[in-house]
Amino acid sequence: GAVVSQHPSRVICKSGTSVKIECRSLDFQATTMFWYRQFPKQSLMLMATSNEGSKATYEQGVEKDKFLINHASLTLSTLTVTSAHPEDSSFYICSALDRVGTNEKLFFGSGTQLSVL
Amino acid sequence: QQQVKQSPQSLIVQKGGIPIINCAYENTAFDYFPWYQQFPGKGPALLIAIRPDVSEKKEGRFTISFNKSAKQFSLHIMDSQPGDSATYFCAAGQGGAQKLVFGQGTRLTINP
Repeated sequence: GAVVSQHPSRVICKSGTSVKIECRSLDFQATTMFWYRQFPKQSLMLMATSNEGSKATYEQGVEKDKFLINHASLTLSTLTVTSAHPEDSSFYICSALDRVGTNEKLFFGSGTQLSVL
Repeated sequence: QQQVKQSPQSLIVQKGGIPIINCAYENTAFDYFPWYQQFPGKGPALLIAIRPDVSEKKEGRFTISFNKSAKQFSLHIMDSQPGDSATYFCAAGQGGAQKLVFGQGTRLTINP
């Protein structure tokens, strides 16, 4: 299957700082990427849809000014957690949509464990 | 109506057994049903997916059974191995793989 690379895999930061997470599609172009949040032993919660060259679409209840998304190229989307606080500590996962003709598949990155002290 | 209900929450099976994980949905507009496997600290990996025009799909040891009238689908793992121990998520999508709705997940343990 297609490969989605997410970096970093783990980050520890102080409260009040900003953290950037990168998501790259390595062997395909992705006009659409998604960002999820996952709490321990829980399902994936969609945070936002990232479209190349346009503004991201955020799900209800997700603060767009806190979770900045940039999708500047067909292979890269970034999520910046601004002024992080301990309650932002979570596992963040990106995914990228691989379209081949009318066939679509969603591939995930390996996730980023964010710990805010 | 957008929910996907997954059961059981956890499952323990002996090696060689056939674990079965079930999912149910309400939205009849869903037309894409994938299953993902997730190991601790990793992102989900696509295992197998089905569309509602078929009732069953096999890929290796993994089989999806789909019942359109009941709005249910299930994952069967044949000849299960300890390496299959992971969390499995079903999902449903409308118009393809965009904006998938995920089930709650099933923690599967295969005992040696």
